[in-house]
Amino acid sequence: DAGVIQSPRHEVTEMGQEVTLRCKPISGHNSLFWYRQTMMRGLELLIYFNNNVPIDDSGMPEDRFSAKMPNASFSTLKIQPSEPRDSAVYFCASSLIDGYTFGSGTRLTVV
Amino acid sequence: GENVEQHPSTLSVQEGDSAVIKCTYSDSASNYFPWYKQELGKRPQLIIDIRSNVGEKKDQRIAVTLNKTAKHFSLHITETQPEDSAVYFCAASASGYSTLTFGKGTMLLVSP
Repeated sequence: DAGVIQSPRHEVTEMGQEVTLRCKPISGHNSLFWYRQTMMRGLELLIYFNNNVPIDDSGMPEDRFSAKMPNASFSTLKIQPSEPRDSAVYFCASSLIDGYTFGSGTRLTVV
Repeated sequence: GENVEQHPSTLSVQEGDSAVIKCTYSDSASNYFPWYKQELGKRPQLIIDIRSNVGEKKDQRIAVTLNKTAKHFSLHITETQPEDSAVYFCAASASGYSTLTFGKGTMLLVSP
């Protein structure tokens, strides 16, 4: 298995633009998580899907953030409009029961 | 919800010394405690985990201990090597379909 695959690896965008981050979980895993990592706040859970259904989105900062999981092999995290304070590394992770496997992350820079 | 505190935030040791990182958690329902290692610019990777039905688990130079009464768990690394230098995260969850809550991380620096 290739592991959790995220794209793009790096994204630089201008404030106000729409940003879409993508994730392909490990085949057979039924849970998918989006985390944001910054120096100040560490690893923050944004949203959690189980069997493609959003279970907990209480970590989504505000309405500018949205996430979808249309099928078991694909998820997106969208930021519209993006702001400089959204700059961070965004990780996707998947699991079957315990023990997440993280993707390589997307480093987002909003200028 | 769960709250995980991790100490210290930075730890510097000499090669060959031992390193200990400690975490406390708040939710008595938590029963799964993994540790992740994150090298600079890389993804967090699971290095060892422990469940609440055991008090200690070892894997070569790494060991974890769990005290459910006190709600704390620790990572022990013996005979540290420069390649152990990384950020280490502890986490806790109620096993099954609960999310992991992570500590803020410990930056471990092993000097040759």
